[in-house]
Amino acid sequence: DQQVKQNSPSLSVQEGRISILNCDYTNSMFDYFLWYKKYPAEGPTFLISISSIKDKNEDGRFTVFLNKSAKHLSLHIVPSQPGDSAVYFCAASEGAQKLVFGQGTRLTINP
Amino acid sequence: DTAVSQTPKYLVTQMGNDKSIKCEQNLGHDTMYWYKQDSKKFLKIMFSYNNKELIINETVPNRFSPKSPDKAHLNLHINSLELGDSAVYFCASSQAYRAETQYFGPGTRLLVL
Repeated sequence: DQQVKQNSPSLSVQEGRISILNCDYTNSMFDYFLWYKKYPAEGPTFLISISSIKDKNEDGRFTVFLNKSAKHLSLHIVPSQPGDSAVYFCAASEGAQKLVFGQGTRLTINP
Repeated sequence: DTAVSQTPKYLVTQMGNDKSIKCEQNLGHDTMYWYKQDSKKFLKIMFSYNNKELIINETVPNRFSPKSPDKAHLNLHINSLELGDSAVYFCASSQAYRAETQYFGPGTRLLVL
């Protein structure tokens, strides 16, 4: 029973355009959501997070949106750059103690 | 200077063998974790230690035994390896109960033949 799902295994976007990565969750007790970025042969690195009391958090080119009623969050990257090509993992936690990850979406930015 | 390191990076072994994966962090964190990334690519937590004490133990076979000799190290011992144990294992660390600020190691790719 996967509580966090990323239904798109891959996404290809033109450089300079917007990349939108999606994530759905089932556990309404989750109160903190995160996105991690992973390059090959490296561990995931923290990218951006959002608390359940907010619906948007922005950090430079990265914005995370949270829709609690739909149990859905998304990561927007604009403008997309070649260095953004990586696997992006969505994660959620309840009480900041344990992370539950999705299966990742491979983003490819084409020049 | 690597924050979270794991050894080995690759491990190929036969079914039935016993193996260990080591993890060290130099961030001064007091909480460490082991994750398994399975064939479906989900990253699932296996164990979490805080100040050398086990605080999270997901439903993992008891062939897997974590050992934390000190706050900076969390090793994973696996006995009687099975084919289904083939996966990438990630170690991570964070400040106490701040799961959102986890720093991950590069992973250990285990292949059981």
